[in-house]
Amino acid sequence: EAGVVQSPRYKIIEKKQPVAFWCNPISGHNTLYWYRQNLGQGPELLIRYENEEAVDDSQLPKDRFSAERLKGVDSTLKIQPAELGDSAVYLCASSLWNTEAFFGQGTRLTVV
Amino acid sequence: KQEVTQIPAALSVPEGENLVLNCSFTDSAIYNLQWFRQDPGKGLTSLLLIQSSQREQTSGRLNASLDKSSGRSTLYIAASQPGDSATYLCAVSPDSNYQLIWGAGTKLIIKP
Repeated sequence: EAGVVQSPRYKIIEKKQPVAFWCNPISGHNTLYWYRQNLGQGPELLIRYENEEAVDDSQLPKDRFSAERLKGVDSTLKIQPAELGDSAVYLCASSLWNTEAFFGQGTRLTVV
Repeated sequence: KQEVTQIPAALSVPEGENLVLNCSFTDSAIYNLQWFRQDPGKGLTSLLLIQSSQREQTSGRLNASLDKSSGRSTLYIAASQPGDSATYLCAVSPDSNYQLIWGAGTKLIIKP
């Protein structure tokens, strides 16, 4: 069984440019999470979906970040425009309702 | 507000030693606690999950304990190996919604 798949693995962009990350969760998992992890810190939840609905987006900086999960499967996370402080690893995870979550390998974003 | 702390931030020990990693949390009202492993450039792998009603969980050479009243958990690694080198993170869920609150991790290096 395939795990959580994220792409791209690495992305380098100039500040003020847009960027998008993609996540394909484990088949059948209805809950999907996006986390941001800064160097030397634990992950920080950005948004949690149950099926197509964003049930917790309180930590998502809505002025520049957006996310969608069409059809309750794949999800994209977008930043526009990117800032230097957005450099981090963006992790996607999925679970079946509120059971244990499984993480993807992450996308390492560098904003220069 | 729940806060999770892991001390030390980094640890280096010779191969073969038994070692203990520490995790503390400020609010004892947790739903469960989970230990993860993170290798450089890779995602997070769940090691052990302890429900609030449990005192410990074991998997191979790993044993995790939970003392809710004192707000502490330990991860015991027996007979350490170079392959155990990674960053170990603990995270707590305050309720059944599986919203993880993370520590910053302990970077473990096992010297051959």
